[in-house]
Formats: sequence, structure tokens, C-alpha cells
Amino acid sequence: AQSVAQPEDQVNVAEGNPLTVKCTYSVSGNPYLFWYVQYPNRGLQFLLKYITGDNLVKGSYGFEAEFNKSQTSFHLKKPSALVSDSALYFCAVRDGGTNAGKSTFGDGTTLTVKP
Amino acid sequence: EAGVAQSPRYKIIEKRQSVAFWCNPISGHATLYWYQQILGQGPKLLIQFQNNGVVDDSQLPKDRFSAERLKGVDSTLKIQPAKLEDSAVYLCASSSRLAGGRGNTGELFFGEGSRLTVL
Repeated sequence: AQSVAQPEDQVNVAEGNPLTVKCTYSVSGNPYLFWYVQYPNRGLQFLLKYITGDNLVKGSYGFEAEFNKSQTSFHLKKPSALVSDSALYFCAVRDGGTNAGKSTFGDGTTLTVKP
Repeated sequence: EAGVAQSPRYKIIEKRQSVAFWCNPISGHATLYWYQQILGQGPKLLIQFQNNGVVDDSQLPKDRFSAERLKGVDSTLKIQPAKLEDSAVYLCASSSRLAGGRGNTGELFFGEGSRLTVL
């Protein structure tokens, strides 16, 4: 069975500082990894994904994530946080070895960026 | 391009009543998913369709939940009878295949969800 762990329920950073939201995963095949963001009373929005290739992937709104196979991690990062980045962030994994694999989500991390 | 449409946005019912949610995916997306998101948790897959066939419904409580995707386009999720623990947001998502038939590695596109409160 595949799983995702987001060890921090809450991350607080000051505006302008770098931010990191942590994610570790477990999957039997090749991992396809995703980050999504959810604003209040809205659905999830895709931020970025890792399928293959360069371990550092760049996505929307200046976010990036680094795939680390040995540590089975896919941490979300941003060099300089904005107040508008405050939201709920979800990491998800799929088994790339199955043609129609399902996405399994973590329980989310609430990011709060203070002015 | 229109996004994933869901209705209703909000529904309040009493336990043992029934409810239905509707989803229209992004045009051309073959794969459709229904997820349940309980407050404080991540989305949990209920059912996955590929065109109008079921790919995975292993987590669907089939004694009370049912879903269909007629003609491989829009979909309906029904709960009958509802229980208190069904209070959640029901998210519909769709995804597309990569060009060249390499399978589905794409991200999910979510609707805004249908929030169900069971009293």
C-alpha cells in the first residue's frame, strides 16, 4: 500500500523568509509525486509534480520541490514567502508502475505567513 | 477552458436521508475521481472511473454509497441512507492522459467540492 506523511500540521514563517513544507512517501513502484494547495472553501489546485528527470522541479507561484529517492522525500520550498501563500498544502503520491494508479494524499500542512 | 463543475456546493440533511452530488469533468478528460475529505484530513479516494468503467472502488462503502458515470462524461455520487460520519466535503477530480498513450501521469484537476452536513 502507498502512503504519504506530512509530519508538520502547521508551519509558520515570516514574510520574506524561506519556507519548507515536508513530505515523505512510501510506494512500491516508481513514485509520481505531486503538491497541491487548498484555499478556504475551495478545491485543491495543482502546484507541481515530479515524474522523472531532474530532482528539483519548479511549479506555480515560485514554488519548487526536491525529490530525494534515498530519503523518500519530496519537500516543498520557496525562497521568499508571501502572506498570500498562507493556505493548506497537500502532498500526494501515485505508483508510476500502474497505468491507472490512484493518488494517495497526506493529511495536509497549514502554512501561515505573517507580515 | 472550463474547470470541473460540481453541485450542489452545500447540502444539509438529516441522518437516514439520501443525497446526490453531480460532477462534470473537464472536457476530454477520461479519468474521473470522487474523493471524500473529512475536516482535518487529506482527501480519500472513494471511486475512480476510466471513461464509463470503474477502475477502483475498493474504498467505497457500497452498502450506502453508489456512483455512476453514464456515457463517460458527467458523474453522480449518491449516499443512501446517510450517517453522521458522512459529513465531509466530496471532491470530484478529473485527469487526462499524456500524448502518445503513455498512460496517466497527469495532475488532478479538482472541482470546488460539495460540503455535506448530516444532522
